[in-house]
Amino acid sequence: EAGVTQFPSHSVIEKGQTVTLRCDPISGHDNLYWYRRVMGKEIKFLLHFVKESKQDESGMPNNRFLAERTGGTYSTLKVQPAELEDSGVYFCASSRTMNTEAFFGQGTRLTVV
Amino acid sequence: SQKIEQNSEALNIQEGKTATLTCNYTNYSPAYLQWYRQDPGRGPVFLLLIRENEKEKRKERLKVTFDTTLKQSLFHITASQPADSATYLCALLLNNAGNMLTFGGGTRLMVKP
Repeated sequence: EAGVTQFPSHSVIEKGQTVTLRCDPISGHDNLYWYRRVMGKEIKFLLHFVKESKQDESGMPNNRFLAERTGGTYSTLKVQPAELEDSGVYFCASSRTMNTEAFFGQGTRLTVV
Repeated sequence: SQKIEQNSEALNIQEGKTATLTCNYTNYSPAYLQWYRQDPGRGPVFLLLIRENEKEKRKERLKVTFDTTLKQSLFHITASQPADSATYLCALLLNNAGNMLTFGGGTRLMVKP
């Protein structure tokens, strides 16, 4: 069984540009989460999908961030326009049901210069 | 204020000894507490989950305790090996907070041969 995969693994963009991160969860996992870790801080929750619906987006920092999960399979997280403080590692995780273990991807390291 | 505290200093121990990592939290009411392992450049990997009504959970060389009165979890690795060297994260799944995990900053464990 393939794990959670994220693409790209690294991205370097200039301030003001747009970046789209992709996450493919484990097949059959209805729950998909986005987290991020900025330099020197803890991993922080961004949002949670159940299938294609946003269950909780309380962690999204501002309206420059847009997450989608059309069809309830893979998800994208778009940052537009990117700012310097958006730099960090963005993790995606999935779980079969709520309140069970979450499987994390390897993360996308985003650097905004 | 709400906090999850893990020792930010690295823990260095000798191979074969028991490693004990601490996770303290304040002003949270967790339904579950989870421990994850993270290696450099990788996403967190789930290790153990313990519920608020459980005192102790074991899995092979791993043991987790959960004291909701002290607001503390201890994570033990017995007969430690150099391959156990990694960063260990505790994460709370809170009551009335959906399905998001709230992470501590992690403790780096170094097991020397």
